[in-house]
Amino acid sequence: DVKVTQSSRYLVKRTGEKVFLECVQDMDHENMFWYRQDPGLGLRLIYFSYDVKMKEKGDIPEGYSVSREKKERFSLILESASTNQTSMYLCASSPPRDTQYFGPGTRLTVL
Amino acid sequence: QKEVEQDPGPLSVPEGAIVSLNCTYSNSAFQYFMWYRQYSRKGPELLMYTYSSGNKEDGRFTAQVDKSSKYISLFIRDSQPSDSATYLCAMSADWGNNDMRFGAGTRLTVKP
Repeated sequence: DVKVTQSSRYLVKRTGEKVFLECVQDMDHENMFWYRQDPGLGLRLIYFSYDVKMKEKGDIPEGYSVSREKKERFSLILESASTNQTSMYLCASSPPRDTQYFGPGTRLTVL
Repeated sequence: QKEVEQDPGPLSVPEGAIVSLNCTYSNSAFQYFMWYRQYSRKGPELLMYTYSSGNKEDGRFTAQVDKSSKYISLFIRDSQPSDSATYLCAMSADWGNNDMRFGAGTRLTVKP
């Protein structure tokens, strides 16, 4: 079974803090993704990576950055958290041109 | 106008009912149409997908695509309490590419 794990299920941070969300997959997938999920808006792609040290912007990259130093790990970084970044963050991984497998999500609250 | 529109519900039905979940879309380039199921406090998991127009059946689930109307549906027959979840439609122009577009999700509750 594919397993995508995310470092925290719930996270509460203050405005201006630097926030790290970690994602690890155990299936040697090339592709990894970060989405945010908001009520009424569905999933929106923030960043994706198709190889180690490679990254591509998704639809809403502003205010976020990512890091992929190892194939199995993809980190999402909020350089200076703001209240409008309160959301559910979902990580996914996939082989090339194949279906995505999602992690359980991290619910981030920025106060 | 959003590229993908999905009624967020919530939808509540009695056990055994037939459930119809629907999405409309505006981008005629979409060729692959997916339905994801997301249980509470879990990530989405792929339930079914179809390519282009037509129907696809998998047990109690049937996915329909009408490209001429830009309308897709998921039917659940003999619904069970274990079907209670949020159902998200998603679509893309190519399989497995990075520009899937998701609907907002419909929250379904099946009452025993």
